[in-house]
Amino acid sequence: RKEVEQDPGPFNVPEGATVAFNCTYSNSASQSFFWYRQDCRKEPKLLMSVYSSGNEDGRFTAQLNRASQYISLLIRDSKLSDSATYLCAPSQREQGGKLIFGQGTELSVKP
Amino acid sequence: DADVTQTPRNRITKTGKRIMLECSQTKGHDRMYWYRQDPGLGLRLIYYSFDVKDINKGEISDGYSVSRQAQAKFSLSLESAIPNQTALYFCATNFLPGGQESSGANVLTFGAGSRLTVL
Repeated sequence: RKEVEQDPGPFNVPEGATVAFNCTYSNSASQSFFWYRQDCRKEPKLLMSVYSSGNEDGRFTAQLNRASQYISLLIRDSKLSDSATYLCAPSQREQGGKLIFGQGTELSVKP
Repeated sequence: DADVTQTPRNRITKTGKRIMLECSQTKGHDRMYWYRQDPGLGLRLIYYSFDVKDINKGEISDGYSVSRQAQAKFSLSLESAIPNQTALYFCATNFLPGGQESSGANVLTFGAGSRLTVL
């Protein structure tokens, strides 16, 4: 089993839709979690950090389920500009905080 | 200037050539990383360094070596490039403060990427 697995996608949704991605992780010692956004051929940029049960920032909500070892990202009222690949990365303090990434979930928001 | 600078941004080379990708950062972070990205495979960790004297292998270190010349510099070398090393390479930095996790802890700052093509 891969250490981090994400919904394979691509997700094709209309503008205004609500969409959710899941990310499962195998290391139960994971303590902090990150969602990164990556535009085509560009570097990943931090979208959201999760250090406890979840986080919300405007239209974006991340929810952590430690018992089932997954973290989800919910995007409400999708915009065309949300089209990108979303990468999930848990980290463990015992491993010095290095991040292992999932393969990414591609989102395409259509007019 | 960018916080994390990678050079070269694009490179085309031939099988068997030695290639070095360089990374420098102005964030003062002690931790530096090299990742490789291939379509559909996300980011895979090649090597990482938590300090100038600390080098660690990541998920896919075979065929690569690294050098941490200074706190701000971390270079990745391909001693004899092969076509399946064609990929987009990212350097990244972060820090891990002591004590409880806090906002900003572990967050990676990436360079703009180095696209390598091995013919």
